Amino acid sequence: AAGVIQSPRHLIKEKRETATLKCYPIPRHDTVYWYQQGPGQDPQFLISFYEKMQSDKGSIPDRFSAQQFSDYHSELNMSSLELGDSALYFCASSPPRASSYNEQFFGPGTRLTVL
Amino acid sequence: GDSVTQMEGPVTLSEEAFLTINCTYTATGYPSLFWYVQYPGEGLQLLLKATKADDKGSNKGFEATYRKETTSFHLEKGSVQVSDSAVYFCAPDFNTGNQFYFGTGTSLTVIP
Repeated sequence: AAGVIQSPRHLIKEKRETATLKCYPIPRHDTVYWYQQGPGQDPQFLISFYEKMQSDKGSIPDRFSAQQFSDYHSELNMSSLELGDSALYFCASSPPRASSYNEQFFGPGTRLTVL
Repeated sequence: GDSVTQMEGPVTLSEEAFLTINCTYTATGYPSLFWYVQYPGEGLQLLLKATKADDKGSNKGFEATYRKETTSFHLEKGSVQVSDSAVYFCAPDFNTGNQFYFGTGTSLTVIP
């Protein structure tokens, strides 16, 4: 079965550079979520999109922005990178909410290292 | 407000030992409850879920029962294996938005 695809899997950047992370949800999933997991920490919700519109916002820094495109893939843009941005960035997708719960399917993550 | 509290780790067990990882939540409504597992170097995977009171989720020998009266969703396994070594996250969906609130994660190491 198709899974959530994230690219790149690994990314190394220098301080103050920019980075773009991409997420391709499972086909027919309409919602995409972004999470940040720092070393040894639990995943923190950043932002989500439903039908190409921002639906929920968490602890996303102002230096970051994201969007969902017409094909439902999403990109997380990160500018003025800081050492503390080094983390594993997960994307998750969920299908149209046909029931009372919201199951999210996670991608393998992009490991960003800022030097 | 809505929150989740998960037993802190790390937890080290011998193979075939009994495992319990506690998870409790505070909610104004009735959340759906999930356990996710993260194996070393991998992404988050759904382990099991329960969507209403008294539901029992189960997968790979793990079980968790949605206890509304104690607002808990403890993860249990009767006999752990070395391959169960991973970090386990309790994640309620409080139905107030689209995000999950992950617990702090419990690192489990099973030794032969």
